[in-house]
Amino acid sequence: GENVEQHPSTLSVQEGDSAVIKCTYSDSASNYFPWYKQELGKRPQLIIDIRSNVGEKKDQRIAVTLNKTAKHFSLHITETQPEDSAVYFCAASMAGYSTLTFGKGTMLLVSP
Amino acid sequence: DADVTQTPRNRITKTGKRIMLECSQTKGHDRMYWYRQDPGLGLQLIYYSFDVKDINKGEISDGYSVSRQAQAKFSLSLESAIPNQTALYFCATSDFGGEQFFGPGTRLTVL
Repeated sequence: GENVEQHPSTLSVQEGDSAVIKCTYSDSASNYFPWYKQELGKRPQLIIDIRSNVGEKKDQRIAVTLNKTAKHFSLHITETQPEDSAVYFCAASMAGYSTLTFGKGTMLLVSP
Repeated sequence: DADVTQTPRNRITKTGKRIMLECSQTKGHDRMYWYRQDPGLGLQLIYYSFDVKDINKGEISDGYSVSRQAQAKFSLSLESAIPNQTALYFCATSDFGGEQFFGPGTRLTVL
């Protein structure tokens, strides 16, 4: 089955800095890679996703890159703000045909 | 608002008791999931259902069972609760190949 590894497990940055979270996956058949944000005491919510037919996707201050050859994908957050503080999860699946396999999460702390 | 709801939101029970967690959705999705979240371990899949007649075990199904009563309802049962089942439980729904929408979670404590 799929295995997703996520690094780092914790990340502390100053407000305005950039943050990068990296994930690797094992199953070359995976083609869907979402990122979820979970604020303290809340449910996980999708913030961005990428499919294997594109290498990069941006939405305002967040972007995701995908390297299919190396089987890794990354979340980039620019100009971080205190409200970006949360746990971020990456995941991988063969869209529609398999379930999501999640990484263990990264706790991002943005200090003012 | 179309949403995913879970009951109860918090539950404290004793070792050996049977407990049921319920999930309902108004999104019209066919696919439903139950996850367990423990600190530092991410979201682990317990059971999933791709339609009303379909039930599948996830990576950590031992000690759990499920029932898909209708397209909108998916229940998780702990037949005989034990302390290491203390965790945060999430239900989620999706359509084919799309975003998963999570419920608010149920915090379960087994004493």
